[in-house]
Amino acid sequence: DGGITQSPKYLFRKEGQNVTLSCEQNLNHDAMYWYRQDPGQGLRLIYYSQIVNDFQKGDIAEGYSVSREKKESFPLTVTSAQKNPTAFYLCASSIDRRQFYSNQPQHFGDGTRLSIL
Amino acid sequence: AQTVTQSQPEMSVQEAETVTLSCTYDTSESDYYLFWYKQPPSRQMILVIRQEAYKQQNATENRFSVNFQKAAKSFSLKISDSQLGDAAMYFCAYRNSGGSNYKLTFGKGTLLTVNP
Repeated sequence: DGGITQSPKYLFRKEGQNVTLSCEQNLNHDAMYWYRQDPGQGLRLIYYSQIVNDFQKGDIAEGYSVSREKKESFPLTVTSAQKNPTAFYLCASSIDRRQFYSNQPQHFGDGTRLSIL
Repeated sequence: AQTVTQSQPEMSVQEAETVTLSCTYDTSESDYYLFWYKQPPSRQMILVIRQEAYKQQNATENRFSVNFQKAAKSFSLKISDSQLGDAAMYFCAYRNSGGSNYKLTFGKGTLLTVNP
């Protein structure tokens, strides 16, 4: 079945360590997104990519980095510069970057919970 | 910048009854899209319903319907014949229709409890 796969489901980070969250989709979607979810905060956009080899900062990009080398994959690295990384991270994708499809919803993965050791 | 406000952090409803979740938003755009997403305890985000701002008719999806008031910038979700499986966090979201930025702006959510 088509969908978005995030791994791992749970991740622990030590002080000063970079960790990478995986997001893979087989929906043939052009656009992909990373959100952070904290209790009582809703979802906040970290980074998004509308096409391979291109990505843009969202509202809370500091301390994070991404790459988009393949259409199917959009990994998120939480760097040691992110001082409060404990959160639930959601990856999403949408069908097409063209304006015509902008009413199409974003499809979400099951998320990764990141905690500090 | 667009903002989305959900003024009810928590709501509860009796099974088989109707409940309405509120959402207001702020934008200077005339064309945009609005969405309601459901997040059950499994944490997966599931699309419930969407509304195009240029459409006057309110969207409906089975037991879910919206009351879209463009002038008031209001987008409430009505759940009829509530079921235990409707218990979840509900998020209202906004997206511009044009330009190159397709990001969603989310409200902080409303936690819905369904009582048997």
